[in-house]
Amino acid sequence: DAKTTQPTSMDCAEGRAANLPCNHSTISGNEYVYWYRQIHSQGPQYIIHGLKNNETNEMASLIITEDRKSSTLILPHATLRDTAVYYCTLGGGGSYIPTFGRGTSLIVHP
Amino acid sequence: NAGVTQTPKFRVLKTGQSMTLLCAQDMNHEYMYWYRQDPGMGLRLIHYSVGEGTTAKGEVPDGYNVSRLKKQNFLLGLESAAPSQTSVYFCASTADSAPTTKKLFFGSGTQLSVL
Repeated sequence: DAKTTQPTSMDCAEGRAANLPCNHSTISGNEYVYWYRQIHSQGPQYIIHGLKNNETNEMASLIITEDRKSSTLILPHATLRDTAVYYCTLGGGGSYIPTFGRGTSLIVHP
Repeated sequence: NAGVTQTPKFRVLKTGQSMTLLCAQDMNHEYMYWYRQDPGMGLRLIHYSVGEGTTAKGEVPDGYNVSRLKKQNFLLGLESAAPSQTSVYFCASTADSAPTTKKLFFGSGTQLSVL
């Protein structure tokens, strides 16, 4: 059973913010939310992670709801190079066995 | 610092042939993983290892074997390749430390075709 659910696809205009949602209603107390992206057929690349506080780095921002059952990855000014598949995963605590769903295919258009 | 290196990058096999995919990491990571990715699908975990000398089955282990004789290497073997194993294979690794550092580092993938 998938631990996270994401929309299959989204699109965004270049220069606008892209908001990618993820539901993780069964998240446990010590699990972190991680986001990765995969461009073309390259290996996935780490973007950001968080536990319960909002996080920001040079690539994106992560907003986690207070009940931690969902989160949103924000690309503040999407570019054409942000066109990729974005994966939301959970991890942390004991053994780390990360599983990936199908992710969200984000298309950024001019 | 090369990170995670996979060899080979491409391979074509005939049904029934065997081969080994090599994953090497130079970050002293404890955890290593093998995933496969089919068109339009996400990543599915084949096998993983939580340390040198240990291996465990993931979601789709049938038809594959693995070994972790050295901490830096994780080998994926196909003893008798089948067309259903045509896929892109990714290796990943992460450190066994605080949860905050369990971000995965991926290799660039191996595209395998079984005819």
